[in-house]
Amino acid sequence: EPEVTQTPSHQVTQMGQEVILRCVPISNHLYFYWYRQILGQKVEFLVSFYNNEISEKSEIFDDQFSVERPDGSNFTLKIRSTKLEDSAMYFCASRPQGPDTQYFGPGTRLTVL
Amino acid sequence: KQEVTQIPAALSVPEGENLVLNCSFTDSAIYNLQWFRQDPGKGLTSLLLIQSSQREQTSGRLNASLDKSSGRSTLYIAASQPGDSATYLCAVRRLTGGGNKLTFGTGTQLKVEL
Repeated sequence: EPEVTQTPSHQVTQMGQEVILRCVPISNHLYFYWYRQILGQKVEFLVSFYNNEISEKSEIFDDQFSVERPDGSNFTLKIRSTKLEDSAMYFCASRPQGPDTQYFGPGTRLTVL
Repeated sequence: KQEVTQIPAALSVPEGENLVLNCSFTDSAIYNLQWFRQDPGKGLTSLLLIQSSQREQTSGRLNASLDKSSGRSTLYIAASQPGDSATYLCAVRRLTGGGNKLTFGTGTQLKVEL
């Protein structure tokens, strides 16, 4: 069964560094999302992406964050200058046209030191 | 602003017991509600999705109900097994807005013991 994949599974970085988290959504899906989960807290929406543009973003998704679909398969989340509070599990999700079920990847654990 | 709460936060039951997990949301203007399972250090697995026009959905030993007007959903797990041990999350999609974002609840951590 097709799955959403994410790389790396764990990323450790120094505060102030740029990180890029990568996702490969399911191939025929058209809607893409990023969520994050700080340890012990709720899963929070960051951004949704459709037709090569952001369709919605949360207040968390400030100028330090950006998303891109550089080719037909990858979907990336970039954090330009990481802060300690960016440490979290980042989940990518995708869904096809029509059915509403969002399919989540296994996550990337980001640790900012 | 939509707030989603799940009760209880944690639950421990013996194998074979039937159980109910609860989810409540403050804004009844939802498009659908989805139940997920999260295993430690893993991603989210979708279990059931209920559209706002539906009252319940079933998949195997799982049954989810939705009472939109009262802002509540329940997930019923029949004949629980140790493999059901995980955190269960509910999430709602709002009625309007183009982003289709999900608002998640706090989760119920379930442990099924032998």
